[in-house]
Amino acid sequence: AQSVAQPEDQVNVAEGNPLTVKCTYSVSGNPYLFWYVQYPNRGLQFLLKYITGDNLVKGSYGFEAEFNKSQTSFHLKKPSALVSDSALYFCAVRPYGQNFVFGPGTRLSVLP
Amino acid sequence: GAVVSQHPSRVICKSGTSVKIECRSLDFQATTMFWYRQFPKQSLMLMATSNEGSKATYEQGVEKDKFLINHASLTLSTLTVTSAHPEDSSFYICSASGYREDEQFFGPGTRLTVL
Repeated sequence: AQSVAQPEDQVNVAEGNPLTVKCTYSVSGNPYLFWYVQYPNRGLQFLLKYITGDNLVKGSYGFEAEFNKSQTSFHLKKPSALVSDSALYFCAVRPYGQNFVFGPGTRLSVLP
Repeated sequence: GAVVSQHPSRVICKSGTSVKIECRSLDFQATTMFWYRQFPKQSLMLMATSNEGSKATYEQGVEKDKFLINHASLTLSTLTVTSAHPEDSSFYICSASGYREDEQFFGPGTRLTVL
């Protein structure tokens, strides 16, 4: 079965420090990979995606993610966290020709 | 990026009534629209996929007679929760994709509360 894991329910980081939100997946073939952010009572906002090419993908708001095929991971990173980055982050994969599969989400809290 | 709207953003209704939620793609033609349900502190669960002009495809365990989906045009899909009950209270999110396989744009969500 296709699945996406985000091993941490919660990540706490101090403002100005680097942050990492982890994601691993188990799907067949070469899926498209995505990160979305959700603020309270809002829909999902697109951050970045990996389709093909360079393993390091740069996205919105200074976020980036690194695709690692051997580890089937797609961790989200940011060099310097802001308090306004505090939100719920979802990793998602889309196997070719199939629907999105979302991870359970990781709540990021950036402490001032 | 493309914009998807949902209306209403919040609705409170009495048990037994039906509620309609609209999802619109504002600046692109959505060949496919998706409806998700999200419980508090949980991920999105895909309920159904709809293509314009055809019947929706429901995920296993989703009652098609309870959650009626209509995708009448390339810019509008509606989800009707029929005879709503308190357990139907949730955050409903729609998304839409155009002709590109890798793109899916999400609406802001609708919070349904059934008393």
